[in-house]
Amino acid sequence: KAGVTQTPRYLIKTRGQQVTLSCSPISGHRSVSWYQQTPGQGLQFLFEYFSETQRNKGNFPGRFSGRQFSNSRSEMNVSTLELGDSALYLCASSLEVPYNEQFFGPGTRLTVL
Amino acid sequence: SQQGEEDPQALSIQEGENATMNCSYKTSINNLQWYRQNSGRGLVHLILIRSNEREKHSGRLRVTLDTSKKSSSLLITASRAADTASYFCATATGANSKLTFGKGITLSVRP
Repeated sequence: KAGVTQTPRYLIKTRGQQVTLSCSPISGHRSVSWYQQTPGQGLQFLFEYFSETQRNKGNFPGRFSGRQFSNSRSEMNVSTLELGDSALYLCASSLEVPYNEQFFGPGTRLTVL
Repeated sequence: SQQGEEDPQALSIQEGENATMNCSYKTSINNLQWYRQNSGRGLVHLILIRSNEREKHSGRLRVTLDTSKKSSSLLITASRAADTASYFCATATGANSKLTFGKGITLSVRP
């Protein structure tokens, strides 16, 4: 099976712009989660989607949003970018059963100038 | 807030030696998972241990879980230079897939 794919792999944006990141889960996986990784805060949970519904949300401002499509692919959007949004954004997928292992994609490296 | 806290923060060993990494957490969990990350790339899932399990093995990896002490350890036997990476423990609580990660351990294996 193909792994989790994320596009694009690298992005450079300027403050105030918005960005959309895409994630395709492993075939058959219905749960998609997003994480932000920074040197200062480490890995932090953004949100999780299951069957097109947001099932859980982390402690991030409303500028961070996401959605999931009927084919389980997911996108996350960050509006009005700030310098502090520079990070590695990781997507993970898992089977629908809770408590399963999550499989991560290679990440999207976002740099905000 | 961090649920998992790994110890030590950095570990340097010689190829062939064993590496032991520890993780402590604060609240009750459903499972604990260990991941590896190479140079800011994606996370690679290593092993999952459920709250009702005490020990699991996978190849050169051995994970233990002590729920009474809220701690876990990851042992990598006969380490190789390719094991050089950051290692994270992550805990799952509640009826969802959210993982809470520790800050990670940097393992350097010298050839």
